[in-house]
Amino acid sequence: DIQMTQSPSSVSASVGDRVTITCRASQGISSWLAWYQQKPGKAPKLLIYYASSLQSGVPSRFSGSGSGTDFTLTISSLQPEDFATYYCQQANSFPPTFGGGTKVEIK
Amino acid sequence: QVQLQESGPGLVKPSETLSLTCTVSGGSISSYYWSWIRQPPGKGLEWIGYIYSNGNSNYNPALKSRVTISIDTSKNQFSLNLSSVTAADTAVYYCARRPSGGFFDIWGQGTMVTVSS
Repeated sequence: DIQMTQSPSSVSASVGDRVTITCRASQGISSWLAWYQQKPGKAPKLLIYYASSLQSGVPSRFSGSGSGTDFTLTISSLQPEDFATYYCQQANSFPPTFGGGTKVEIK
Repeated sequence: QVQLQESGPGLVKPSETLSLTCTVSGGSISSYYWSWIRQPPGKGLEWIGYIYSNGNSNYNPALKSRVTISIDTSKNQFSLNLSSVTAADTAVYYCARRPSGGFFDIWGQGTMVTVSS
């Protein structure tokens, strides 16, 4: 299985901050990467797919980049509703696998 | 818009079979892959398996010997059976739609299943 490693595991930030989360794959996955946002007690929500494509309805302050093994999710200006846990997921190889998550907390 | 809703027992005894159903509303179950994903309390996400609307299925090798996913297109439902459960199978179970790209774009709200005697 492809291992997905996210860093940091948690980050403290303030409203208006720029936040960057990294996801590294144990082998190359081209651009077959998605990012999800999960709030407590809720299902994950798809934010980004194909590494950099914004899912319909997702605010433009979210962006994704990268290919191969290294990927980033950037929130350009953190809003109160963005405090959540973020997961990456690879869809290049079977079985699909997720990163361990990055919790974005209020500073 | 398409919505998914999981249903099934919230408590299952060890060694028994966990059975859940996902009902798809607001759209057809045809021409998509439908997945089950789980999340143990306080932990990350684990993909369990998927089924296509024609009945073709594929499972996570780590769970393959215990998993069966089936589909009933007449009812717009698909189901998960996980046999010989242990406490390690305690988790929130989600159903999700997987378009051809391999990502999961629509999720159910999730259902908590506890394995305990």
